[in-house]
Amino acid sequence: DVKVTQSSRYLVKRTGEKVFLECVQDMDHENMFWYRQDPGLGLRLIYFSYDVKMKEKGDIPEGYSVSREKKERFSLILESASTNQTSMYLCASSGTTEAFFGQGTRLTVV
Amino acid sequence: QKEVEQNSGPLSVPEGAIASLNCTYSDRGSQSFFWYRQYSGKSPELIMFIYSNGDKEDGRFTAQLNKASQYVSLLIRDSQPSDSATYLCAVSGFSGGYNKLIFGAGTRLAVHP
Repeated sequence: DVKVTQSSRYLVKRTGEKVFLECVQDMDHENMFWYRQDPGLGLRLIYFSYDVKMKEKGDIPEGYSVSREKKERFSLILESASTNQTSMYLCASSGTTEAFFGQGTRLTVV
Repeated sequence: QKEVEQNSGPLSVPEGAIASLNCTYSDRGSQSFFWYRQYSGKSPELIMFIYSNGDKEDGRFTAQLNKASQYVSLLIRDSQPSDSATYLCAVSGFSGGYNKLIFGAGTRLAVHP
């Protein structure tokens, strides 16, 4: 059974904190993605990675960075959390066909 | 122009009817097309994917692709209340040597008894 696991289901952080969201997949997929989902806006691509140590900006990378030191793990970093980063964050991985999603992390920045 | 566009809905259909969901995309180099279903509070799950022009059927679901018109659709036959969800269209293609996956904003479908 394929699995994409995100480290937290719910997270509350303070403004200005550095926040790490972790994602691990067990399918040996090359591609991994971070999206945020907000009502009415759908899934917006923040960053993606197509190989270890390789990353590309998506549509809304400002305020975020990523790290992929191992093939199975893709981390999203909020350098200095702000209230407008309150959202649902979804990680996905894919090989040559469809993407599989983690359960999502609902992040609230107060 | 957004890369992948969908009507946000809600699309309301009676139980047993055909629901038709539409999606257009801007990148002519796109190669793979996906339909995901997302229930409220849950992660998206894949319903179908299609790569070639024409129709692809899987049970009550039919995906249709027209690359010339940059249009992909999903038909749900015999709609059930359990089909009520948001349907996300996603498009990918190998651009610059990597596989970028872009989603539309989703169409909310409501099937009423």
